[in-house]
Amino acid sequence: KQEVTQIPAALSVPEGENLVLNCSFTDSAIYNLQWFRQDPGKGLTSLLLIQSSQREQTSGRLNASLDKSSGRSTLYIAASQPGDSATYLCAVSQGAGNMLTFGGGTRLMVKP
Amino acid sequence: NAGVTQTPKFQVLKTGQSMTLQCAQDMNHNSMYWYRQDPGMGLRLIYYSASEGTTDKGEVPNGYNVSRLNKREFSLRLESAAPSQTSVYFCASSATGWVNQPQHFGDGTRLSIL
Repeated sequence: KQEVTQIPAALSVPEGENLVLNCSFTDSAIYNLQWFRQDPGKGLTSLLLIQSSQREQTSGRLNASLDKSSGRSTLYIAASQPGDSATYLCAVSQGAGNMLTFGGGTRLMVKP
Repeated sequence: NAGVTQTPKFQVLKTGQSMTLQCAQDMNHNSMYWYRQDPGMGLRLIYYSASEGTTDKGEVPNGYNVSRLNKREFSLRLESAAPSQTSVYFCASSATGWVNQPQHFGDGTRLSIL
């Protein structure tokens, strides 16, 4: 059974710092890995999707990497801002139907 | 820009009552999903529908039923609610049930079972 772990569970940084969120998964037979953002009381917003054949994806200040063989992904956030404060979730896709298995999330707070 | 719409947003039920959670998407997506989110457990897949007319069980299907009413709508039914079903329920959709399509989520239904 696939297990997805995110470390740390919570992170507090001052504004302007570059930071890295980590995601690991136990079964490397994935189709893709997705990073989401969740604001309090809201649903999930898709940030980046990395296909299994890709090594990284970039969107603005966000860069996600994937090392499928070692079962790891990182989400790099450059020049963090208070508006980046949210919970970040990673999920891996396996099997028919694009089913996702989620990690527990990293709760990020960026202090002004 | 509606995307995925879930109703209701909040609901309180008594043990044993039944309820249907509604989900509709306006993106012409083929695949739809129901998840529950619990503290310490993350999001877990309850049921999914890869395409209109098909439904399949996810990780935690017990106590739930689903109906893919048409391409737009995918409902989740609790026949006899139990306190263990207190959770936040999310509906999601993706363009296809095949790989490499991001899932788009609704804002959730917060359900409490007393």
